[in-house]
Amino acid sequence: DAKTTQPTSMDCAEGRAANLPCNHSTISGNEYVYWYRQIHSQGPQYIIHGLKNNETNEMASLIITEDRKSSTLILPHATLRDTAVYYCIVRVMEYGNKLVFGAGTILRVKS
Amino acid sequence: DAGITQSPRHKVTETGTPVTLRCHQTENHRYMYWYRQDPGHGLRLIHYSYGVKDTDKGEVSDGYSVSRSKTEDFLLTLESATSSQTSVYFCAISGGLGGTDTQYFGPGTRLTVL
Repeated sequence: DAKTTQPTSMDCAEGRAANLPCNHSTISGNEYVYWYRQIHSQGPQYIIHGLKNNETNEMASLIITEDRKSSTLILPHATLRDTAVYYCIVRVMEYGNKLVFGAGTILRVKS
Repeated sequence: DAGITQSPRHKVTETGTPVTLRCHQTENHRYMYWYRQDPGHGLRLIHYSYGVKDTDKGEVSDGYSVSRSKTEDFLLTLESATSSQTSVYFCAISGGLGGTDTQYFGPGTRLTVL
């Protein structure tokens, strides 16, 4: 699975959009971009995933560049409860394929 | 949240004792996984199951065994617990409808081996 690079930490004001970048320059054509987050002491929570088209669900939007070498997770209206570590993962969608979590980005939402 | 529970949620045990952690799901997902999470190592896959009685090793399987006798239950056993197995253990499931392999995680079990 391709490696990813994320900023170590980011701050965001409550109510504003949080834009979390991820670089995955070695991504292969059959690899998906997944985003998870982990709030302190809880299990990782699935947010969204995509292959090459932009995706949106009730939690977030995922914007993938045309060359697929980078992506951005957008939380449209961040709240204090969105403070967490956010993980960008690139992987082949294959049953039994492990998730490889890097260091992630610590997002702090401040009032 | 996906219907995944883990038990116990916290456990303290002594070196050399056997320990069994349980993961229970109500989603009828085919695949189940056990990960451990340690500072500086992220999440690492211990074992996974691709069906009843079908299991395979992950990257850190030494000292652990698993069993799956029913779709809904996946057990992780530390045969003789060591201090290096002090960790937070997460269960995950995947294989729901739609063909997606998205993994959903349980709340975790914090294990301390003294």
